[in-house]
Amino acid sequence: KAGVTQTPRYLIKTRGQQVTLSCSPISGHRSVSWYQQTPGQGLQFLFEYFSETQRNKGNFPGRFSGRQFSNSRSEMNVSTLELGDSALYLCASSRFSGSSYNEQFFGPGTRLTVL
Amino acid sequence: DAKTTQPNSMESNEEEPVHLPCNHSTISGTDYIHWYRQLPSQGPEYVIHGLTSNVNNRMASLAIAEDRKSSTLILHRATLRDAAVYYCILKYGGSQGNLIFGKGTKLSVKP
Repeated sequence: KAGVTQTPRYLIKTRGQQVTLSCSPISGHRSVSWYQQTPGQGLQFLFEYFSETQRNKGNFPGRFSGRQFSNSRSEMNVSTLELGDSALYLCASSRFSGSSYNEQFFGPGTRLTVL
Repeated sequence: DAKTTQPNSMESNEEEPVHLPCNHSTISGTDYIHWYRQLPSQGPEYVIHGLTSNVNNRMASLAIAEDRKSSTLILHRATLRDAAVYYCILKYGGSQGNLIFGKGTKLSVKP
C-alpha cells in the first residue's frame, strides 16, 4: 500500500510570493490534516479536511488556506509569504475524522524556505 | 486538550529496554493516550495508543498508571533505528481530528 506522498519535497520562494503544496493520502483515507514544523514552535496543527470540508482549524492567519478534492487529495496554499513561514509542512491522512483512536499516517513533508 | 510533560532527552544502550515516561495529570476520562515518534528527516509515525489498560504491539508496549495521570512507553530492545523524538499526546475522545504535539523526548541509542 503506498504511503502518503507530498509534492514538492523542497521549495524555495521569496517574501511576498505564494505557494501551493500538494498531498496525496493513502488510498481509502478520507481525512487529511496539515501541520507546520519549525525548530522554535515544534509541530503545530494547521487544518483538517474530511470529505472536501474543513473540519478543524488551528491558530494560523488567513494567509494559510487549504482544500480537498473529491479523490481526497489535498492542497494547502500560503499567500504573501513571510520569512517566518519557512518550515517543514507535513500532511497526515487517516481513514476517518474525529475518532480518538484514529491513527494518522504522515508524509515525508515539504521543506519550504522563504528568502 | 490536556497537556503532557516529558523529559527533553534520554539515552539508552542498544539492545536494552527503554522506558519513556509521560505525565498527564489533567487527563480527562475520554482522553486517549497516543505515542508517535519522528525519526530524523521523516514525518512522525504512529507507535501505540491506549485508554486505560496496558497495550502491546509489535513496536512497543504502553503501560498506563491506574489513575491515568502518567504512562510509560516501553521499547523492549532498543535498536539504533529507534533513535527519534517520541511524542506523548492526549487525544480527546470527541470530534477533533488533530493531534497536539508537545516538545517530545529525544531518544539517543548508543551502540
